[in-house]
Amino acid sequence: AQKVTQAQTEISVVEKEDVTLDCVYETRDTTYYLFWYKQPPSGELVFLIRRNSFDEQNEISGRYSWNFQKSTSSFNFTITASQVVDSAVYFCALSEGHYGQNFVFGPGTRLSVLP
Amino acid sequence: DGGITQSPKYLFRKEGQNVTLSCEQNLNHDAMYWYRQDPGQGLRLIYYSQIVNDFQKGDIAEGYSVSREKKESFPLTVTSAQKNPTAFYLCASRISGTPNTEAFFGQGTRLTVV
Repeated sequence: AQKVTQAQTEISVVEKEDVTLDCVYETRDTTYYLFWYKQPPSGELVFLIRRNSFDEQNEISGRYSWNFQKSTSSFNFTITASQVVDSAVYFCALSEGHYGQNFVFGPGTRLSVLP
Repeated sequence: DGGITQSPKYLFRKEGQNVTLSCEQNLNHDAMYWYRQDPGQGLRLIYYSQIVNDFQKGDIAEGYSVSREKKESFPLTVTSAQKNPTAFYLCASRISGTPNTEAFFGQGTRLTVV
């Protein structure tokens, strides 16, 4: 069965520090998709990025970057120069299956950025 | 504006009562999902539907029921059989039931048993 692990339950950093959120996944499928979502205090999950299993290129979007390594089954997320507005719970998710019915989330990492 | 609307935002239930959580989307998405979120835990899948009049159980379906009579609507009923229903419930939708599409989420309903 597929599984997503986010070993860091809570992280606290001071504003302007860099922070990396870890995500490790398990799947038997050769085709799958990985996602990161942000959940601010309002509760609604906000989509950040999608990566497919055939594309191991790292991606950078502003202060956000993602490192996908199939060899270690990891899809880590780095925030550079963190800001207070980055405080939220971040979820990593795995989607697989022909119809996408298997959409599994990790337990989340609560990030607190202190001023 | 297109999106997913969940109502109510807060819901209180007495022991032994059934309650229904509403989820409506105007994104023309085929697939819809219900997740439960408990403190310190990730999202656990309750039910999902890939098409009208069809739905499948997720990992924690016991004590819950759903219907999908219209494409736009996927209501979740929390029955009295659900022993610990206090949680945050999130509804989501996707363009189709294919794995490469992101899910869009509603703002959630916080259910409390009193």
